Amino acid sequence: KQEVTQIPAALSVPEGENLVLNCSFTDSAIYNLQWFRQDPGKGLTSLLLIQSSQREQTSGRLNASLDKSSGRSTLYIAASQPGDSATYLCAVRPSKTGNQFYFGTGTSLTVIP
Amino acid sequence: SQTIHQWPATLVQPVGSPLSLECTVEGTSNPNLYWYRQAAGRGLQLLFYSVGIGQISSEVPQNLSASRPQDRQFILSSKKLLLSDSGFYLCAWVRGLSTDTQYFGPGTRLTVL
Repeated sequence: KQEVTQIPAALSVPEGENLVLNCSFTDSAIYNLQWFRQDPGKGLTSLLLIQSSQREQTSGRLNASLDKSSGRSTLYIAASQPGDSATYLCAVRPSKTGNQFYFGTGTSLTVIP
Repeated sequence: SQTIHQWPATLVQPVGSPLSLECTVEGTSNPNLYWYRQAAGRGLQLLFYSVGIGQISSEVPQNLSASRPQDRQFILSSKKLLLSDSGFYLCAWVRGLSTDTQYFGPGTRLTVL
């Protein structure tokens, strides 16, 4: 069974700092990997989707990379802002099961003004 | 554009009472639909998913059930709630294609007393 791990569980940084969030998965047979943001008491908002054939995706200050062979993905946030404070989750869609998604437990990010 | 609705937004129910949570999707057809539960301080747990009307796959045996009476409607039910059913319930959808983004609803906060 696919297992997804996110380290660290919590991160606190001063405003303006660049930061990296990590996601690792145990089975490299995936269709894609998705990064989400979750604000307290809210649903998940999709940030970036990386297909298995891609190495990275970018959206504004966010850049996500994927190294499928090593089972790792990183989410890079440039010039962090207090509004970036949230929990960030990654999810993989295994190619063996297809219709299911496996989520990490998330990294809780606090950006200090 | 596509939108996903969940109701109610919050619910407080006594132990042993029934439950019905509803999720509807607009602007797409034949989506894959998902029910997740997020307990306090824990990751997302996949409860059920559906690839079509009347087709339900259960991931976790428990006192919950799901139904899909219409193409864009997904219902989560219970005949008798347990204290352990408390949590944040999220509905999500994705086009059947393996390359697509998963989108989440706003969630329902359920407290069982």
